[in-house]
Amino acid sequence: QVQLVQSGAEVKKPGASVKVSCKASGYTFTTYAMHWVRQAPGPRLEWMGWIHADNGNTKYSQKFQGRVTITRDTSANTAYMELSSLISEDTAVYYCARGSAAAPYYLDYWGQGTLVTVPS
Amino acid sequence: QSVLTQPPSVSGAPGQRVTISCTGSSSNIGAGYDVHWYQQLPGTAPKLLIYDNSNRPSGVPDRFSGSKSGTSASLAISGLQAEDEADYYCQSYDSSLSGYVFGTGTKVTAL
Repeated sequence: QVQLVQSGAEVKKPGASVKVSCKASGYTFTTYAMHWVRQAPGPRLEWMGWIHADNGNTKYSQKFQGRVTITRDTSANTAYMELSSLISEDTAVYYCARGSAAAPYYLDYWGQGTLVTVPS
Repeated sequence: QSVLTQPPSVSGAPGQRVTISCTGSSSNIGAGYDVHWYQQLPGTAPKLLIYDNSNRPSGVPDRFSGSKSGTSASLAISGLQAEDEADYYCQSYDSSLSGYVFGTGTKVTAL
């Protein structure tokens, strides 16, 4: 069965960066795209970007462009999301989610979420 | 940024039918992009509930149904159950943003 397992909770100082990992299993990693979505207290969902695990192509939300970097390691079946220049408003749960077989995507499997806290 | 608007909350008695609207614009739903729905139970990750406007993934009960018309979409729950209490989100693609957008979310309560 498809599983996405994310790294543990993080506490970061303002101005720092955070890197969250997402290890996939139960399917051929390079066949699908991996998306990142965050959920701040509120609790709205916000799409951040995606990477196609095969060729490494990425697309980022305009809101996060320049501050987010999504990468993948095909040998480890793992995707990563790095967010830099953190501010308190970046405190949120960050999810990875597998994109459907073809774009435009829906998100058919989700990780358990990683809480990132940036104290003000 | 949320460009899909949902009612903050809906409620109904067990067994009743409730509907959740998702209103977009000419750059997302109105442009012909499909709408998908997710269910988020308290303390858990979102789960795909409806894809491509009206299709249910394997394992989703048939009391959940979706539809789309014009610049809006709807999720219906027929025969509301206590276990359906959750937050529900719609999602689509927006051509002006060149990215994916979620609805504002709706909390469903069984009275």
